[in-house]
Amino acid sequence: DIQMTQSPSSLSASVGDRVTITCRASQSISSYLNWYQQKPGKAPKLLIYAASSLQSGVPSRFSGSGSGTDFTLTISSLQPEDFATYYCQQSYTRNTFGQGTKLEIK
Amino acid sequence: QVQLVQSGAEVKKPGASVKVSCKASGYTFTSYYMHWVRQAPGQGLEWMGIINPSGGSTSYAQKFQGRVTMTRDTSTSTVYMELSSLRSEDTAVYYCAIKDSPYYYYGMDVWGQGTTVTVSS
Repeated sequence: DIQMTQSPSSLSASVGDRVTITCRASQSISSYLNWYQQKPGKAPKLLIYAASSLQSGVPSRFSGSGSGTDFTLTISSLQPEDFATYYCQQSYTRNTFGQGTKLEIK
Repeated sequence: QVQLVQSGAEVKKPGASVKVSCKASGYTFTSYYMHWVRQAPGQGLEWMGIINPSGGSTSYAQKFQGRVTMTRDTSTSTVYMELSSLRSEDTAVYYCAIKDSPYYYYGMDVWGQGTTVTVSS
Protein backbone atom coordinates (compact mmCIF):
# COMPACT_ATOMS: atom_id res chain seq x y z
CA ASP A 1 0.00 0.00 0.00
CA ILE A 2 1.04 3.58 -0.60
CA GLN A 3 2.17 5.33 2.59
CA MET A 4 1.21 8.95 3.25
CA THR A 5 3.31 11.03 5.64
CA GLN A 6 2.08 14.37 6.93
CA SER A 7 4.13 17.05 8.61
CA PRO A 8 4.01 18.47 11.12
CA SER A 9 1.98 16.14 13.34
CA SER A 10 0.86 19.14 15.36
CA LEU A 11 1.02 22.86 14.91
CA SER A 12 0.26 25.89 17.08
CA ALA A 13 -0.83 29.06 15.32
CA SER A 14 -2.77 32.27 15.89
CA VAL A 15 -5.87 33.68 14.25
CA GLY A 16 -4.79 35.47 11.07
CA ASP A 17 -1.67 33.34 10.54
CA ARG A 18 -0.82 31.66 7.25
CA VAL A 19 -0.39 27.93 7.77
CA THR A 20 0.99 25.21 5.53
CA ILE A 21 0.68 21.44 6.04
CA THR A 22 2.63 19.04 3.88
CA CYS A 23 1.88 15.51 2.75
CA ARG A 24 4.32 13.15 1.06
CA ALA A 25 3.44 9.92 -0.75
CA SER A 26 5.73 6.89 -0.81
CA GLN A 27 5.35 6.75 -4.61
CA SER A 28 3.91 8.98 -7.29
CA ILE A 29 0.16 9.44 -7.05
CA SER A 30 -0.22 12.02 -9.83
CA SER A 31 -2.87 14.45 -8.51
CA TYR A 32 -5.02 11.87 -6.70
CA LEU A 33 -4.74 13.66 -3.39
CA ASN A 34 -7.56 14.94 -1.19
CA TRP A 35 -7.60 16.97 2.03
CA TYR A 36 -10.07 16.78 4.93
CA GLN A 37 -10.80 18.71 8.10
CA GLN A 38 -12.12 16.91 11.16
CA LYS A 39 -13.41 18.36 14.41
CA PRO A 40 -13.86 16.28 17.58
CA GLY A 41 -16.85 13.96 17.46
CA LYS A 42 -17.66 14.82 13.85
CA ALA A 43 -17.20 13.11 10.50
CA PRO A 44 -14.43 14.46 8.27
CA LYS A 45 -15.21 17.26 5.85
CA LEU A 46 -13.76 17.30 2.34
CA LEU A 47 -11.85 20.54 1.65
CA ILE A 48 -9.73 19.92 -1.45
CA TYR A 49 -9.88 17.18 -4.08
CA ALA A 50 -7.57 16.34 -6.97
CA ALA A 51 -4.75 18.14 -5.14
CA SER A 52 -5.92 21.67 -5.88
CA SER A 53 -9.68 21.78 -6.53
CA LEU A 54 -11.73 23.52 -3.85
CA GLN A 55 -14.77 21.55 -2.73
CA SER A 56 -18.04 23.42 -3.13
CA GLY A 57 -18.86 25.54 -0.10
CA VAL A 58 -15.32 25.57 1.31
CA PRO A 59 -13.88 29.05 1.99
CA SER A 60 -11.30 30.31 -0.48
CA ARG A 61 -8.69 30.75 2.27
CA PHE A 62 -8.08 27.01 1.84
CA SER A 63 -5.90 25.98 -1.08
CA GLY A 64 -3.97 22.93 -2.18
CA SER A 65 -1.04 22.33 -4.47
CA GLY A 66 1.39 19.65 -5.61
CA SER A 67 1.60 16.57 -7.78
CA GLY A 68 3.59 13.37 -7.88
CA THR A 69 4.73 12.76 -4.31
CA ASP A 70 4.68 16.16 -2.58
CA PHE A 71 1.58 18.14 -1.67
CA THR A 72 0.62 21.08 0.50
CA LEU A 73 -2.53 22.43 2.12
CA THR A 74 -2.42 26.15 2.87
CA ILE A 75 -4.78 28.20 4.99
CA SER A 76 -4.12 31.82 4.07
CA SER A 77 -5.54 33.51 7.17
CA LEU A 78 -6.56 31.29 10.06
CA GLN A 79 -10.05 31.74 11.45
CA PRO A 80 -11.22 30.47 14.87
CA GLU A 81 -13.28 27.71 13.22
CA ASP A 82 -10.19 26.33 11.44
CA PHE A 83 -8.66 24.82 14.56
CA ALA A 84 -9.10 21.11 13.89
CA THR A 85 -7.24 18.05 12.64
CA TYR A 86 -6.36 17.83 8.95
CA TYR A 87 -5.81 14.67 6.92
CA CYS A 88 -4.50 14.01 3.45
CA GLN A 89 -5.73 10.99 1.51
CA GLN A 90 -4.43 9.37 -1.67
CA SER A 91 -6.95 7.83 -4.06
CA TYR A 92 -4.50 6.74 -6.76
CA THR A 93 -4.66 3.08 -5.82
CA ARG A 94 -7.01 1.91 -3.16
CA ASN A 95 -6.88 4.69 -0.59
CA THR A 96 -4.66 5.68 2.30
CA PHE A 97 -4.85 8.52 4.80
CA GLY A 98 -2.00 10.43 6.33
CA GLN A 99 -1.65 10.28 10.10
CA GLY A 100 -3.17 13.73 10.59
CA THR A 101 -2.03 17.20 11.62
CA LYS A 102 -3.60 18.75 14.71
CA LEU A 103 -3.87 22.52 14.40
CA GLU A 104 -4.13 24.20 17.79
CA ILE A 105 -4.54 27.75 18.99
CA LYS A 106 -1.32 29.42 20.15
CA GLN B 1 -30.76 15.75 -0.13
CA VAL B 2 -28.08 13.08 -0.27
CA GLN B 3 -27.98 11.25 3.03
CA LEU B 4 -26.30 8.19 4.53
CA VAL B 5 -27.84 6.72 7.69
CA GLN B 6 -25.93 4.04 9.56
CA SER B 7 -27.09 1.40 12.01
CA GLY B 8 -26.68 1.78 15.74
CA ALA B 9 -23.85 1.10 18.13
CA GLU B 10 -22.66 -2.45 18.67
CA VAL B 11 -20.86 -4.25 21.48
CA LYS B 12 -19.16 -7.50 20.53
CA LYS B 13 -16.92 -10.08 22.15
CA PRO B 14 -13.48 -10.90 20.76
CA GLY B 15 -13.70 -13.42 17.95
CA ALA B 16 -17.24 -12.42 16.96
CA SER B 17 -18.36 -10.64 13.80
CA VAL B 18 -20.16 -7.34 13.34
CA LYS B 19 -22.30 -6.18 10.44
CA VAL B 20 -22.87 -2.43 10.02
CA SER B 21 -25.41 -1.06 7.57
CA CYS B 22 -25.51 2.21 5.65
CA LYS B 23 -28.79 3.25 4.02
CA ALA B 24 -28.51 5.76 1.20
CA SER B 25 -31.15 8.23 0.07
CA GLY B 26 -31.46 11.31 -2.11
CA TYR B 27 -29.63 9.92 -5.13
CA THR B 28 -29.57 6.93 -7.47
CA PHE B 29 -28.03 4.27 -5.24
CA THR B 30 -26.20 2.43 -8.02
CA SER B 31 -24.51 5.59 -9.35
CA TYR B 32 -21.87 6.22 -6.69
CA TYR B 33 -19.24 3.98 -5.13
CA MET B 34 -19.28 3.73 -1.34
CA HIS B 35 -16.24 3.74 0.97
CA TRP B 36 -15.85 2.50 4.53
CA VAL B 37 -13.48 4.33 6.87
CA ARG B 38 -12.84 3.71 10.55
CA GLN B 39 -11.33 5.70 13.39
CA ALA B 40 -10.12 4.16 16.64
CA PRO B 41 -10.39 6.29 19.79
CA GLY B 42 -7.91 9.16 19.65
CA GLN B 43 -6.43 7.86 16.39
CA GLY B 44 -6.47 8.83 12.73
CA LEU B 45 -8.64 7.79 9.81
CA GLU B 46 -8.19 4.35 8.26
CA TRP B 47 -9.62 3.38 4.87
CA MET B 48 -11.10 -0.11 4.84
CA GLY B 49 -12.45 -0.57 1.35
CA ILE B 50 -14.89 0.40 -1.37
CA ILE B 51 -17.88 -1.16 -3.09
CA ASN B 52 -19.51 -0.44 -6.41
CA PRO B 53 -23.24 -0.67 -5.64
CA SER B 54 -24.03 -1.21 -9.30
CA GLY B 55 -22.30 -4.56 -9.81
CA GLY B 56 -21.21 -5.32 -6.25
CA SER B 57 -17.47 -5.36 -7.00
CA THR B 58 -15.22 -4.54 -4.08
CA SER B 59 -11.66 -3.52 -3.26
CA TYR B 60 -10.31 -3.85 0.26
CA ALA B 61 -7.28 -2.46 2.07
CA GLN B 62 -4.62 -5.12 2.38
CA LYS B 63 -4.85 -4.95 6.16
CA PHE B 64 -8.48 -6.15 6.13
CA GLN B 65 -8.30 -8.70 3.30
CA GLY B 66 -9.93 -11.94 4.44
CA ARG B 67 -11.65 -10.31 7.38
CA VAL B 68 -13.96 -7.72 5.80
CA THR B 69 -16.87 -8.22 3.43
CA MET B 70 -18.85 -5.41 1.81
CA THR B 71 -22.19 -6.19 0.19
CA ARG B 72 -25.17 -4.25 -1.04
CA ASP B 73 -28.93 -4.62 -1.35
CA THR B 74 -30.17 -2.53 -4.25
CA SER B 75 -33.82 -3.11 -3.28
CA THR B 76 -33.30 -1.14 -0.06
CA SER B 77 -30.39 1.09 -1.15
CA THR B 78 -28.30 -0.29 1.67
CA VAL B 79 -24.63 -1.24 1.88
CA TYR B 80 -23.33 -3.59 4.54
CA MET B 81 -19.84 -3.90 6.01
CA GLU B 82 -19.10 -7.08 7.94
CA LEU B 83 -15.88 -7.47 9.93
CA SER B 84 -15.05 -10.87 11.38
CA SER B 85 -12.64 -12.26 13.99
CA LEU B 86 -12.97 -9.09 16.02
CA ARG B 87 -10.26 -8.07 18.45
CA SER B 88 -9.96 -5.17 20.87
CA GLU B 89 -8.03 -3.13 18.28
CA ASP B 90 -11.18 -3.09 16.11
CA THR B 91 -12.91 -0.85 18.64
CA ALA B 92 -13.63 2.25 16.57
CA VAL B 93 -16.18 4.48 14.91
CA TYR B 94 -17.01 3.10 11.46
CA TYR B 95 -18.13 5.48 8.72
CA CYS B 96 -19.62 4.96 5.28
CA ALA B 97 -18.96 7.74 2.79
CA ILE B 98 -19.45 8.63 -0.86
CA LYS B 99 -18.41 11.22 -3.38
CA ASP B 100 -21.64 12.83 -4.64
CA SER B 101 -20.53 12.30 -8.24
CA PRO B 102 -19.31 9.42 -10.43
CA TYR B 103 -15.72 10.46 -9.70
CA TYR B 104 -15.26 8.35 -6.59
CA TYR B 105 -11.52 9.05 -6.53
CA TYR B 106 -12.13 12.77 -5.88
CA GLY B 107 -12.57 12.30 -2.17
CA MET B 108 -15.62 11.65 0.02
CA ASP B 109 -18.03 14.52 0.52
CA VAL B 110 -21.04 12.83 2.09
CA TRP B 111 -20.57 10.83 5.29
CA GLY B 112 -22.77 8.72 7.49
CA GLN B 113 -23.11 9.65 11.14
CA GLY B 114 -20.75 6.89 12.23
CA THR B 115 -21.35 3.63 14.09
CA THR B 116 -19.43 2.88 17.27
CA VAL B 117 -18.27 -0.71 17.53
CA THR B 118 -16.85 -1.77 20.87
CA VAL B 119 -15.00 -5.08 21.19
CA SER B 120 -14.72 -6.19 24.78
CA SER B 121 -14.83 -9.41 26.74
